Amino acid sequence: EAGVTQFPSHSVIEKGQTVTLRCDPISGHDNLYWYRRVMGKEIKFLLHFVKESKQDESGMPNNRFLAERTGGTYSTLKVQPAELEDSGVYFCASSQEAGSTDTQYFGPGTRLTVL
Amino acid sequence: EDQVTQSPEALRLQEGESSSLNCSYTVSGLRGLFWYRQDPGKGPEFLFTLYSAGEEKEKERLKATLTKKESFLHITAPKPEDSATYLCAVRPLYSGAGSYQLTFGKGTKLSVIP
Repeated sequence: EAGVTQFPSHSVIEKGQTVTLRCDPISGHDNLYWYRRVMGKEIKFLLHFVKESKQDESGMPNNRFLAERTGGTYSTLKVQPAELEDSGVYFCASSQEAGSTDTQYFGPGTRLTVL
Repeated sequence: EDQVTQSPEALRLQEGESSSLNCSYTVSGLRGLFWYRQDPGKGPEFLFTLYSAGEEKEKERLKATLTKKESFLHITAPKPEDSATYLCAVRPLYSGAGSYQLTFGKGTKLSVIP
């Protein structure tokens, strides 16, 4: 069974530009999450989708970040315009709707560098 | 606010030298505590979930235990391939929005020297 996949693996952009990250969850997983790790800090939650609906976006840093999940399948995270502090590794995770045993499986991450 | 603190930040062991990693947590109610392994340039790889104090789980040379305030990851006779960063995360007990968030610690970077 294929795991969570993310594209691209690396992205280097200039401040003010736009970047779109993509995540494909494990097939059949209704729950999809975005997390971010900035240098020297712990991994932090950004948002949670259940199918195509945003369940919790309390971790989104500001309105420059827009997440979508088309048809409840893959998800995109757009940063527009990018700022220097947006640099970090963005992880996507997915889980089945299994109540208290809900394990989140992570993708390899996208390393974003804003210059 | 949920908090997770891991110690030590880094640990160097000789091959075969057993040790333990610590994860201290503060959460209003614990639904689950998760251990992940992360290799450089890769995403966190799931290892264990612990749900209640006194619970233990094992996988090869790793054994995770849980108390009401902390969890330990015991590594018995480690090998160089066990070198990685080990992450601890908690999920809160309450229901509704926010209840699926994992709160992570910064991790312990383990190096096992041949």
